[in-house]
Amino acid sequence: DAGITQSPRHKVTETGTPVTLRCHQTENHRYMYWYRQDPGHGLRLIHYSYGVKDTDKGEVSDGYSVSRSKTEDFLLTLESATSSQTSVYFCAIRSRTSGPGPETQYFGPGTRLLVL
Amino acid sequence: AQSVTQPDIHITVSEGASLELRCNYSYGATPYLFWYVQSPGQGLQLLLKYFSGDTLVQGIKGFEAEFKRSQSSFNLRKPSVHWSDAAEYFCAVAGDFGNEKLTFGTGTRLTIIP
Repeated sequence: DAGITQSPRHKVTETGTPVTLRCHQTENHRYMYWYRQDPGHGLRLIHYSYGVKDTDKGEVSDGYSVSRSKTEDFLLTLESATSSQTSVYFCAIRSRTSGPGPETQYFGPGTRLLVL
Repeated sequence: AQSVTQPDIHITVSEGASLELRCNYSYGATPYLFWYVQSPGQGLQLLLKYFSGDTLVQGIKGFEAEFKRSQSSFNLRKPSVHWSDAAEYFCAVAGDFGNEKLTFGTGTRLTIIP
């Protein structure tokens, strides 16, 4: 457990509505990530952050925006949700808590989003 | 660009049998390699990682993986599976400079039969 919580854990919304997912961490990690998980695709990186107000795009960033106004919170926003954004969304942090070697990503419990 | 291939979508093994899950990666230099496990409805848990040195890596829950540069592979093994090992397993690769971008394979679902 890397002290990561995600909210909400489940959400149903309608096409065209804005949606914000929250990732909260309690251990002051610098790097935070948002992934989506879809059958047959594994996990794909949406956006990541390397500090407060510092973010960058991943491989599937279209239709998503992020914000990080404080270290502990990383928000993912779907400005106008579409059915193709129905997915499970995972937040991750990067930490050196597991022995030697490079920092490792640790994942939150996920948010299931259904866009009708 | 880095990439990962997990050629087996679904594997079924008997409880107590040995297991090997395949992972092939593509990366220009020495990669950082990871195996994660995901139980149904849960997040991902790190099983083990490789970054340098000994090519046989030990992880949690009795798993191990072997890095073979000549085959661009990082296969996950367990000598004797338990029913609780039923889950989805993901291999992932990261490049240099601290793992900014982790690329995942599409996963292998493991079913255990009594």
